[in-house]
Amino acid sequence: TQLLEQSPQFLSIQEGENLTVYCNSSSVFSSLQWYRQEPGEGPVLLVTVVTGGEVKKLKRLTFQFGDARKDSSLHITAAQPGDTGLYLCAALRYTGNQFYFGTGTSLTVIP
Amino acid sequence: GAGVSQTPSNKVTEKGKYVELRCDPISGHTALYWYRQSLGQGPEFLIYFQGTGAADDSGLPNDRFFAVRPEGSVSTLKIQRTERGDSAVYLCASSSGLAGGQNEQFFGPGTRLTVL
Repeated sequence: TQLLEQSPQFLSIQEGENLTVYCNSSSVFSSLQWYRQEPGEGPVLLVTVVTGGEVKKLKRLTFQFGDARKDSSLHITAAQPGDTGLYLCAALRYTGNQFYFGTGTSLTVIP
Repeated sequence: GAGVSQTPSNKVTEKGKYVELRCDPISGHTALYWYRQSLGQGPEFLIYFQGTGAADDSGLPNDRFFAVRPEGSVSTLKIQRTERGDSAVYLCASSSGLAGGQNEQFFGPGTRLTVL
């Protein structure tokens, strides 16, 4: 059973388009992180959100943590080919030190 | 070192054999994590070390899997009697060990294990 479900699983868009990736759970988390992973490499942290309703921006990327701390979204504006990769959400429960990763969204941006 | 390193990068073995996977974390990082990632999936937690001790090993799938970190730096993941289902990329990550969700995990490139 997957604790964090991401949607969509695959996304292929044209350069310049906007997109949103979702990370959903029925559990409540103390914090949530978003990572990007390229083939043959480990995931690289993009952002950490810790407060319900929090919004963080990183250039063309906007991250939001749900008010109830159960879900999150990643919005990319004017996608570029360099955004191509596997996007992963990861969450930490209030108890324990285990990070739970989502199922992943594979994004391809076509030039 | 500059980042987390893992050796070997690729390991091909036969069913039933024993394998060891090594992780060199970032110097000074007290926390170390092992994950397993299957193709097209997110990493699956295996075990977490704080210093030399395994603080949480609840993700190890069975007693064929074991990990050590004797001096609080390098860690070795050991898999006995490998099975074809063990084939995956094994990722190691380290962090400074700060409490709570501000922990940034720095991942290594992974070891791709193939069990024939």
